[in-house]
Amino acid sequence: EAQVTQNPRYLITVTGKKLTVTCSQNMNHEYMSWYRQDPGLGLRQIYYSMNVEVTDKGDVPEGYKVSRKEKRNFPLILESPSPNQTSLYFCASSTHRGANSPLHFGNGTRLTVT
Amino acid sequence: QKEVEQDPGPLSVPEGAIVSLNCTYSNSAFQYFMWYRQYSRKGPELLMYTYSSGNKEDGRFTAQVDKSSKYISLFIRDSQPSDSATYLCAMSATIIQGAQKLVFGQGTRLTINP
Repeated sequence: EAQVTQNPRYLITVTGKKLTVTCSQNMNHEYMSWYRQDPGLGLRQIYYSMNVEVTDKGDVPEGYKVSRKEKRNFPLILESPSPNQTSLYFCASSTHRGANSPLHFGNGTRLTVT
Repeated sequence: QKEVEQDPGPLSVPEGAIVSLNCTYSNSAFQYFMWYRQYSRKGPELLMYTYSSGNKEDGRFTAQVDKSSKYISLFIRDSQPSDSATYLCAMSATIIQGAQKLVFGQGTRLTINP
């Protein structure tokens, strides 16, 4: 089944403890992206990657890192999480970067930082 | 002012009703317009895609774009309880360089009551 898989689904951590949220897609998509979803603010892009070893900042990149060493994987790294990073995170992929290429989303990771 | 405005609702209607969901936007460069549907505890999935102005119909769903008014709508006919979800509008301008810049609305939470 074609899908984007994120892990974990739920994560509770403390301020400053490094964490990684994994994302993997099995559709051979070039384009991958991370979003956070917050009430009243909608989906906001954190980072995106147009291909292996090519990443760039989205609208809210502060406090996050990403890497794209393989085409299928695009982990999101929080080196020193803070409470304002408590949010619902989504990984997404598409065949290419074109605006007419639909995004395929994972089922989300709910992160709580205390 | 946000680039894309969407009434967050919640909107509750009886089964069989016609539902109208709307977004307004301020960026006249937007040309690609999408509606995503998000079920509870799931990632968004693409429902409708429209390029430039006009209408597009897919079963019980109709997407309308009025670029002169900077206004897009999604109509759901003969609404069903299974249509209960959050609906997010999204839009993008023509790509000049880099990846698509997709801007999402806040999402409208819709409940169809049996």
